[in-house]
Amino acid sequence: QKEVEQNSGPLSVPEGAIASLNCTYSDRGSQSFFWYRQYSGKSPELIMFIYSNGDKEDGRFTAQLNKASQYVSLLIRDSQPSDSATYLCAVNSPGYSTLTFGKGTMLLVSP
Amino acid sequence: EAGVTQFPSHSVIEKGQTVTLRCDPISGHDNLYWYRRVMGKEIKFLLHFVKESKQDESGMPNNRFLAERTGGTYSTLKVQPAELEDSGVYFCASSHLSVGELFFGEGSRLTVL
Repeated sequence: QKEVEQNSGPLSVPEGAIASLNCTYSDRGSQSFFWYRQYSGKSPELIMFIYSNGDKEDGRFTAQLNKASQYVSLLIRDSQPSDSATYLCAVNSPGYSTLTFGKGTMLLVSP
Repeated sequence: EAGVTQFPSHSVIEKGQTVTLRCDPISGHDNLYWYRRVMGKEIKFLLHFVKESKQDESGMPNNRFLAERTGGTYSTLKVQPAELEDSGVYFCASSHLSVGELFFGEGSRLTVL
């Protein structure tokens, strides 16, 4: 049974701070990792994906992957109130057409 | 470009009734997925179409659920007869290539009383 674990939060950070969202996964063979953002009542929206160990930066977002530790994280720099949402970690394993999702971490950025 | 659209946005039915959910993927996306989120749980995979063919239906809970994608365009997910545990939000997603780079619809919330 493939599992993806996230702290449900809420994670509260002040505006301008760095938000750090974490995710662990159980399937050591997983190769593709995704972060989706979901505003309340809206559709999940892909914001980052990472396939290789290390860091991947896109604007204020940085995804970090450590396959040895089976750990993936998302850093949001200069957090804004508009970043307040639930962040979903999702993992794909080779040979499968599915994504395994975590329950999501709620992020609250206060002005 | 229109996104993934789902209908209805919310459906309230009684146990034993039938409900049909519809998904219109982004035009040109051959891959169409159904996922479901039950309250308090994570989003879980139901099935995957490539064009009109079912590529993977390993996540379908039981034979009360029937998905179709005639002509490889829109898809329907029918639940018949509905049970209380079927309540949740049903998401449709489509993609052009990669399995993980999905475009989701806003979901159809199903409440079974």
